[in-house]
Amino acid sequence: AQSVTQPDIHITVSEGASLELRCNYSYGATPYLFWYVQSPGQGLQLLLKYFSGDTLVQGIKGFEAEFKRSQSSFNLRKPSVHWSDAAEYFCAVASLFSGGYNKLIFGAGTRLAVHP
Amino acid sequence: SQTIHQWPATLVQPVGSPLSLECTVEGTSNPNLYWYRQAAGRGLQLLFYSVGIGQISSEVPQNLSASRPQDRQFILSSKKLLLSDSGFYLCAWTVNTGELFFGEGSRLTVL
Repeated sequence: AQSVTQPDIHITVSEGASLELRCNYSYGATPYLFWYVQSPGQGLQLLLKYFSGDTLVQGIKGFEAEFKRSQSSFNLRKPSVHWSDAAEYFCAVASLFSGGYNKLIFGAGTRLAVHP
Repeated sequence: SQTIHQWPATLVQPVGSPLSLECTVEGTSNPNLYWYRQAAGRGLQLLFYSVGIGQISSEVPQNLSASRPQDRQFILSSKKLLLSDSGFYLCAWTVNTGELFFGEGSRLTVL
């Protein structure tokens, strides 16, 4: 069965510092991978996605993620964190079925706090 | 452009009362629709998905049900709420692009 593990429940970084959020997945075929961000009391916003091709994908808000098949990982990175990046981050893996239906399996999330 | 609306945004209900959460999508046709629940401190759990009008699939056995009376309308219901139904409910849609687009969520508190 597909699964997603985000090993870090909480991470605190200083503003301006670099950030890496870890994500490991379990999926038998080629995975479709996503990172979402959720501000308190809000819905989820897509940061970036990986379907195929270049294993380093760029997203919105200066985020990027690297797909490493050998490590079953899809870690999210940002070179310099801003206070507005404080939020909860979710990694997800999707399985695509015929007709375009897809089911996303989410990790438990990583809550990011940013110190001034 | 496509938009998704959920309401109500916040709901406080007593145990044993009924529930109806509504979700509508605009600007697209024949979307796949989803209901997720997010419990405090936990990830997102897929509750229901629908690939068309009247077509509902349930992912987990529970006290809730879903219906899709129109192409772009998805409703989450319960006849009698339990304390364990409290949580943040998210509706989402997609059309053959892989990623899901989420609504702003509905927070349900059952007392």
